[in-house]
Amino acid sequence: NAGVTQTPKFQVLKTGQSMTLQCAQDMNHNSMYWYRQDPGMGLRLIYYSASEGTTDKGEVPNGYNVSRLNKREFSLRLESAAPSQTSVYFCASSDSLSETQYFGPGTRLLVL
Amino acid sequence: AQTVTQSQPEMSVQEAETVTLSCTYDTSENNYYLFWYKQPPSRQMILVIRQEAYKQQNATENRFSVNFQKAAKSFSLKISDSQLGDTAMYFCAFMKGSNYQLIWGAGTKLIIKP
Repeated sequence: NAGVTQTPKFQVLKTGQSMTLQCAQDMNHNSMYWYRQDPGMGLRLIYYSASEGTTDKGEVPNGYNVSRLNKREFSLRLESAAPSQTSVYFCASSDSLSETQYFGPGTRLLVL
Repeated sequence: AQTVTQSQPEMSVQEAETVTLSCTYDTSENNYYLFWYKQPPSRQMILVIRQEAYKQQNATENRFSVNFQKAAKSFSLKISDSQLGDTAMYFCAFMKGSNYQLIWGAGTKLIIKP
């Protein structure tokens, strides 16, 4: 069982470039999430998808867009990367019974 | 707004000792969930233990247990017989019932010394 997978593991971008972070889960969970983690801080929610076909803003959505492609996949897009978006990005999924979120391994993003 | 506070930025203990990590939270809700997550140097975020607020019994998972004091809004994590592999950042997190959004503390860095 792979759980939650993320690609890529590491990426370097120049200011203004765009990219999409991919996330997939094989646990048949309804809800999926994107977080960012900055040094010395806990995670902050960027966007979430409570179920297939819906997405909602979290605490820090500016500069990001998301797509819930199907029940398994939830992607995060940076249209015009900025140095302030240098961070580690985590994807997570959860089921409605346990309300417990399970995390992917993270993507380290460096914007120069 | 809900907040989560971890007052110990860093702790270190000897292997095999018992250690307790503190977490307090602020909420006016009655239905909520509390979690402890572990983040080792690999950066993987791993669930350690969860607690439903309506359950009076403290959650336990092997060497990990919590002391949940609902009236005091306190949710501490006790690690017994600590092992070198317990070295990690530990995050306390709060979720309002079925709200989807986890509110995170700033974390406690735990070092287990041989």
